[in-house]
Amino acid sequence: EPEVTQTPSHQVTQMGQEVILRCVPISNHLYFYWYRQILGQKVEFLVSFYNNEISEKSEIFDDQFSVERPDGSNFTLKIRSTKLEDSAMYFCASGRDYMDEQFFGPGTRLTVL
Amino acid sequence: AQTVTQSQPEMSVQEAETVTLSCTYDTSENNYYLFWYKQPPSRQMILVIRQEAYKQQNATENRFSVNFQKAAKSFSLKISDSQLGDTAMYFCAVDGGSQGNLIFGKGTKLSVKP
Repeated sequence: EPEVTQTPSHQVTQMGQEVILRCVPISNHLYFYWYRQILGQKVEFLVSFYNNEISEKSEIFDDQFSVERPDGSNFTLKIRSTKLEDSAMYFCASGRDYMDEQFFGPGTRLTVL
Repeated sequence: AQTVTQSQPEMSVQEAETVTLSCTYDTSENNYYLFWYKQPPSRQMILVIRQEAYKQQNATENRFSVNFQKAAKSFSLKISDSQLGDTAMYFCAVDGGSQGNLIFGKGTKLSVKP
C-alpha cells in the first residue's frame, strides 16, 4: 500500500541554521500539507500546497518558512533560521482531494539546540 | 476560527469492552468534515473514521462508530470490542478551510489492557 515517507526521521541543528525537511507524498495525490506538533501540544496546521503553489497557510508559517515541490515527487519544508521554539515533530500529509482523507507520514523530529 | 477540544487526556479500557472518546468543536463553516485519526506508538497517523456534517446518519467503520450531534457540536468516537492494537493516541479533527487543512484536538491517549 502506498505510503507517505519523510526524511530524516530525526534532525538536530543549531539555532540560526537552515534545515530542509523532506517528504515524498503518495504519487497520485494533488494536495499536500505540513503540520507540526510541539511536544505535549496539539498537532497544528502550517501550510497547504496545491497546483505548485501555497493555497493556505497558518499564522505560524511566517517568512522563515517556505515549501517547494522541486521535482514532482518530493515536497520540502525549509526553515531558514531555526529558533529554539521550532523544536517539534513535523508531519507531512497528502490527499487526492481537499475533502478527502489525508495520509500522514511518520514525521521528522526536529531538535534545535 | 475553528477549535477542537478533547477533554480526556488519557483513558483506559479492558480488552473486549467498549469505550467512548469525547470531542467537541467549533466552526463557522456550514459544510465541513470531521475526522478521527489514530496514532499508534512510534507509527504514523491513520484515519479511523470520517463524518460529513450535512449527513445526519452517524458514520460507522467496523468496530468504530461516531455519535455526531451537530447542534451541540459534539463528535464522539465509540470503539466496540476493544483490542490491544487499539492502543494509541486518538485525535479528533475538523477541516478548517477551503483547502482541507485540519484543525486537531490535543488528543486522547487510549490504553487497552489485557
